[in-house]
Amino acid sequence: DQQVKQNSPSLSVQEGRISILNCDYTNSMFDYFLWYKKYPAEGPTFLISISSIKDKNEDGRFTVFLNKSAKHLSLHIVPSQPGDSAVYFCAASEEGSGGGADGLTFGKGTHLIIQP
Amino acid sequence: DAGVTQSPTHLIKTRGQQVTLRCSPISGHKSVSWYQQVLGQGPQFIFQYYEKEERGRGNFPDRFSARQFPNYSSELNVNALLLGDSALYLCASSLAGGTIQETQYFGPGTRLLVL
Repeated sequence: DQQVKQNSPSLSVQEGRISILNCDYTNSMFDYFLWYKKYPAEGPTFLISISSIKDKNEDGRFTVFLNKSAKHLSLHIVPSQPGDSAVYFCAASEEGSGGGADGLTFGKGTHLIIQP
Repeated sequence: DAGVTQSPTHLIKTRGQQVTLRCSPISGHKSVSWYQQVLGQGPQFIFQYYEKEERGRGNFPDRFSARQFPNYSSELNVNALLLGDSALYLCASSLAGGTIQETQYFGPGTRLLVL
C-alpha cells in the first residue's frame, strides 16, 4: 500500500504562471517532508523541505505547504520557468527515524511541463 | 564542492551474475543510503549505513547487501541477478544518519540492465 501518493502523473502549466504539485500521505508517523526534482538521466535534486511542526516553508520561487489534519502537502512554484520542466517527487520520513532506519518514502512523481 | 558520486554510470549484466555498485558521499557526510528506482516509480529504500554500520533496511531480499568503508564510501552488491533488478540505483548521503530530520542528497545513479 502506497504511503505517499502523487495522484497527478503529469501537469502542464504556462510559463510565468503558478505550478501547484500535490502530495498525500497516509502514515501519521511521518514528520519530515521533502520535494525533489529529477531530470532524465540524473539523480533527484533536493528542492525544499518542511518539518511537521510548520505549515509553510518558502525558498525563493518555491513554497511548500503542509496540512497535517488532511495529510496533504503541496509545492507551489511561482513564476514557473521552462527550466522547471522535470519530474517532481514528494518524499517523507518517519518520526524519530529522520530517514534513517526506514529511509525516505517516495511518491511516484509528477511530470511538470512548462509551456512557453 | 563535489557532490555524491557513483560508479559505474551504466552496467549490463546477464541473469544469475553478480554486480557491485560504488558510491562516494559528500565530503563530511557520514551516512549513505541506497535506493532502487524502476521505471515509472519513485525511489525505493534498500539500505542505510552510518559510521560503517547498517542502520536500516528496506523490503529487499538477501541477494542485496551493502557495506560502508572507513572513508564513508559504500558498495551495494546484488547477487544472482534477476530481470526485475533492472533499475536505476541511487545513492544518497546525509550528515548524521537520520538521527535528526535531515536532507538526503542524491548522486546521479547507476543504471543497471539485466538481460
